[in-house]
Amino acid sequence: GAGVSQSPSNKVTEKGKDVELRCDPISGHTALYWYRQSLGQGLEFLIYFQGNSAPDKSGLPSDRFSAERTGGSVSTLTIQRTQQEDSAVYLCASSFWRRGQTNTGELFFGEGSRLTVL
Amino acid sequence: QKEVEQNSGPLSVPEGAIASLNCTYSDRVSQSFFWYRQYSGKSPELIMSIYSNGDKEDGRFTAQLNKASQYVSLLIRDSQPSDSATYLCAVNDNDMRFGAGTRLTVKP
Repeated sequence: GAGVSQSPSNKVTEKGKDVELRCDPISGHTALYWYRQSLGQGLEFLIYFQGNSAPDKSGLPSDRFSAERTGGSVSTLTIQRTQQEDSAVYLCASSFWRRGQTNTGELFFGEGSRLTVL
Repeated sequence: QKEVEQNSGPLSVPEGAIASLNCTYSDRVSQSFFWYRQYSGKSPELIMSIYSNGDKEDGRFTAQLNKASQYVSLLIRDSQPSDSATYLCAVNDNDMRFGAGTRLTVKP
């Protein structure tokens, strides 16, 4: 597809269940970001993947959160033992970045996955 | 801890006025700065980038950067109701960090 694709668009789950959110970035984009946005709030950085480098996991709020990126393309964000405070929109973004060049900063966002934990 | 701070607003201006949005950041070595616009229920989209001290103009939008003061601003001239959105300041040290956003309402 032409843009960043995220699935599911909506997910309702019960407290304590595990969820997986998927992001398919724009083809050829080397950088992939996950953010969380609660209602009326800004974007909370979660994790950043750049090429084959070790991901920057500094934003993950707890060890219940993990993410992987397979083959430098598709990424999955996993939340284990979900809690009500995990309810938010999870946004994925990708960008093209070449080592030695200033990152243009143009992140292309998906439509997000809205997670509701009951 | 890298911080990006914005006034959450809301900011309300009449149609045709200048809207001024401000942002400060904590990491002195940051080099790349961006403004994103987010309409309600939509994902953010890039509207301006700035890398050097001074002003950068693009149509009705002007971004201003002062690295010594660690300050970035966005001016919107001749504000239109269609500019009503949340404006997010972002600072890129490869892990792009966003401020909380300022909600702007332009009243006809």
